[in-house]
Amino acid sequence: AQKITQTQPGMFVQEKEAVTLDCTYDTSDQSYGLFWYKQPSSGEMIFLIYQGSYDEQNATEGRYSLNFQKARKSANLVISASQLGDSAMYFCAMREMFSGGYNKLIFGAGTRLAVHP
Amino acid sequence: DTGVSQNPRHKITKRGQNVTFRCDPISEHNRLYWYRQTLGQGPEFLTYFQNEAQLEKSRLLSDRFSAERPKGSFSTLEIQRTEQGDSAMYLCASSSPPLYEQYFGPGTRLTVT
Repeated sequence: AQKITQTQPGMFVQEKEAVTLDCTYDTSDQSYGLFWYKQPSSGEMIFLIYQGSYDEQNATEGRYSLNFQKARKSANLVISASQLGDSAMYFCAMREMFSGGYNKLIFGAGTRLAVHP
Repeated sequence: DTGVSQNPRHKITKRGQNVTFRCDPISEHNRLYWYRQTLGQGPEFLTYFQNEAQLEKSRLLSDRFSAERPKGSFSTLEIQRTEQGDSAMYLCASSSPPLYEQYFGPGTRLTVT
């Protein structure tokens, strides 16, 4: 079964500094995808970034980048130049495909990030 | 593009009552998902619709839970005879191939007293 592990329950970072949130995964599939979502206190899950297992380049979206290390089965999220509004829960997720070609998301337990001024 | 909407945002009910939640996906998305999130955990998959067809159900979805998506537009999730263990955030998401990412609504927080 597929599994996502986020070992950091909480992280602190100073405003304008970079921070790395860890994510490791376990799967026997050759084709898979990894996601990061942000969940502010309001509760909505906000899609940040996606990395496919066959993508050769690490994904980037603005201040977010995904450090994908396939051999280590890790997909860490790097946030550059942290802002106060980045304070939230961050979830790593993997897509698990059903036989019909559609997929569901498997989530980790999350990391709470606090950005200090 | 108005995003995924869910109603109500909060629901408090007494044990044994029935509750129904509604999800309106992004209009052009034909795939719709329900997830449940308990305190301190990531969301867990409940069920999946492609258009109006319910194609996948988690074993988390007991007989007391039923979901529909008539006409392939909005979806409803009903919980009958609620139990305290049903207290959670219920999240709806939608997607459209070929993209893999799912877009979530704000969720419905259910409290069963």
